[in-house]
This record gives sequence, structure tokens and C-alpha cells, in this order.
Amino acid sequence: SQELEQSPQSLIVQEGKNLTINCTSSKTLYGLYWYKQKYGEGLIFLMMLQKGGEEKSHEKITAKLDEKKQQSSLHITASQPSHAGIYLCGATPTSGTASKLTFGTGTRLQVTL
Amino acid sequence: NAGVTQTPKFQVLKTGQSMTLQCAQDMNHEYMSWYRQDPGMGLRLIHYSVGAGITDQGEVPNGYNVSRSTTEDFPLRLLSAAPSQTSVYFCASSKGPGANVLTFGAGSRLTVL
Repeated sequence: SQELEQSPQSLIVQEGKNLTINCTSSKTLYGLYWYKQKYGEGLIFLMMLQKGGEEKSHEKITAKLDEKKQQSSLHITASQPSHAGIYLCGATPTSGTASKLTFGTGTRLQVTL
Repeated sequence: NAGVTQTPKFQVLKTGQSMTLQCAQDMNHEYMSWYRQDPGMGLRLIHYSVGAGITDQGEVPNGYNVSRSTTEDFPLRLLSAAPSQTSVYFCASSKGPGANVLTFGAGSRLTVL
């Protein structure tokens, strides 16, 4: 089965600092998804990457997928308290498995004032 | 627009009791899934469905039953609850195959004593 490793497991950053979260797969990915979970709540979709070398941005969050489609990074610029939560990467190995995402164990982000 | 609705939000059971976690979506999504989230384990797929009348097992199906009699509903049944089933359960749905985004419910926190 496909495994996703996320690093770091947890992160504490000062407000205004930049940070990067990584997600590495043991296999080539069809689709890579980033989700955010606020403590005690459900998952909110952030971004989806499909093509090797693809990069997407939304507000202060940028996600990239490497050329080999086995590693993705999520970069937050000038972090804010609203960025705090758990970030999870999810992936599908093929196109017909939209309901069968495999998830990493998550990165817990705290943003201090 | 409700999205994915899960009930109940919280439940406490005694070992051996049975119960059903309800999941309903109003987006006419074909695909629906159940995940459980445990500390350090990330999200793990329990069962999924690619359409009404069709279900299949995920990574951790033992102790759980599902059915999909309508497009909208995908209940998860615990046949005889065990302490190992203490977890947070998430229902999710997506349009269908391909690069489709999963929409998650808010979660159901289950404690088995």
C-alpha cells in the first residue's frame, strides 16, 4: 500500500515567520491533496496537485509537487494565528480512486504571538 | 448548502454495544467514504462506496459494516463495540473518479468504555 510520510510532526513558529511542511510518498502519485484541520473539527480542502513540477498558491499558502510526483511541500509565508491547526497530505495512486485517499499522519502547527 | 452531515457528534458506548454513525450528503456525490482518525496514525480508510448499492473495504474494515441504499446516505455500523474502536470518525464524499476533492463532515467522536 502507498505510504505518506510528513515532516515535521509538529511545528511551533512565531507569528510572521515562514514555514515549510513536507510530504513524501513511497510511490508515484496521481494526485496530491493538502487539507487543514482545526482542532476538534473536520478537514478543509486547501489545494490539489497533479502534474509534476506543479505549484499552486492561495493567499499565503503555496504547495508544490516535485517533477517525479513523489514529494510535495506546503509553504506558509508570514504565518498568522489563523494558520494554526493540523495539516494533512493525502494522495491517490490512480485516477479511479477519488474516494480512497491515503493520508499522512499530519503536521501540527502552532503559531505564537 | 449543508455538504456532509454526520450524527451524532459525540457518543459514549459500553463494550459490546452496537450503534450506527449516520452520514448524509446533499451534493449528489457518487463516492462516499468513512475514515477513522487516531493519534499518531493519521486518517485510515474503513469502508467506501462508489455508488448506491456498491460498497468495498478499506484499510481497517474489521468490526464495521456499511450499506449504501441511497446516493445521499452512508451509515457506518459498529456491530459489537470494543475499546479499540474509540476514535474520531469522519465521513467524506466526492463527485466520482478522477481528480476529485473529498468533502469531509465535521466528525463523530466515539468513546468505548
